[in-house]
Amino acid sequence: EPEVTQTPSHQVTQMGQEVILRCVPISNHLYFYWYRQILGQKVEFLVSFYNNEISEKSEIFDDQFSVERPDGSNFTLKIRSTKLEDSAMYFCASSGSRYNEQFFGPGTRLTVL
Amino acid sequence: GDSVTQMEGPVTLSEEAFLTINCTYTATGYPSLFWYVQYPGEGLQLLLKATKADDKGSNKGFEATYRKETTSFHLEKGSVQVSDSAVYFCARQLQGGSEKLVFGKGTKLTVNP
Repeated sequence: EPEVTQTPSHQVTQMGQEVILRCVPISNHLYFYWYRQILGQKVEFLVSFYNNEISEKSEIFDDQFSVERPDGSNFTLKIRSTKLEDSAMYFCASSGSRYNEQFFGPGTRLTVL
Repeated sequence: GDSVTQMEGPVTLSEEAFLTINCTYTATGYPSLFWYVQYPGEGLQLLLKATKADDKGSNKGFEATYRKETTSFHLEKGSVQVSDSAVYFCARQLQGGSEKLVFGKGTKLTVNP
C-alpha cells in the first residue's frame, strides 16, 4: 500500500541553524501539506502546496519557513534559522485531490537546543 | 474562530469496555468531520469521516455521527481491544473553502487486557 515517508525521524539542531525536513508523498498525489504538533498541543496546519506553489499558509508559516518540491518526488520544509519554539513533531501529508483524504507520514521530531 | 474541542485524556479502559471520546466543533459553513488515529511510532491515519449532517462514519467497529444541532462528532466503540490503544484526533475541513484540516488536541487511549 502506498504511503507517505518522512526523513529523518528525529532531528536535533542548534538554535539559529537551518534544517530541511524531507517528505516523499504518495506518487500520484497532487496536493501536499505540512502540519506540526508542539508537545502537548494541537496538530496545526502550516502550509498547503499545489501546482508548484503555495496555495495557503498559516500565521505560523513566516519568512523563516519555505517549501519546495525540487524533483517531482520529494517535498521539503526548510526552516532557515531555527528557534527554540520550533521544536515540534512535523507531519507531511498528501492528497489526490483538494478535498479528498489527506495521507500523513510518520512525522519528524525536531528538537532545537 | 473555527476550532475543534475534544475530550481531554488520557483514557484508560479494560478490554471489551465501551468507548466514547467527545468532539465538538465550531465552524462557519458546513464542514466535513474526521477522526484520525495515530498508533505508536506511526503517522496519522484516517479512521472515519462524515461529510454532512446526520451522516454516520464507521470503520473497524468505531462509529461517529455528524450532529449539526449539537455541533458534535463523538467517537464510539462498543467493545475496545488492546490493539485500539492509540491517540485519536478529531478534525474538520471546510468544503468549498480551505482544505486544511483543523485538529483537536488528541485523546490518548490505553486499553488494558
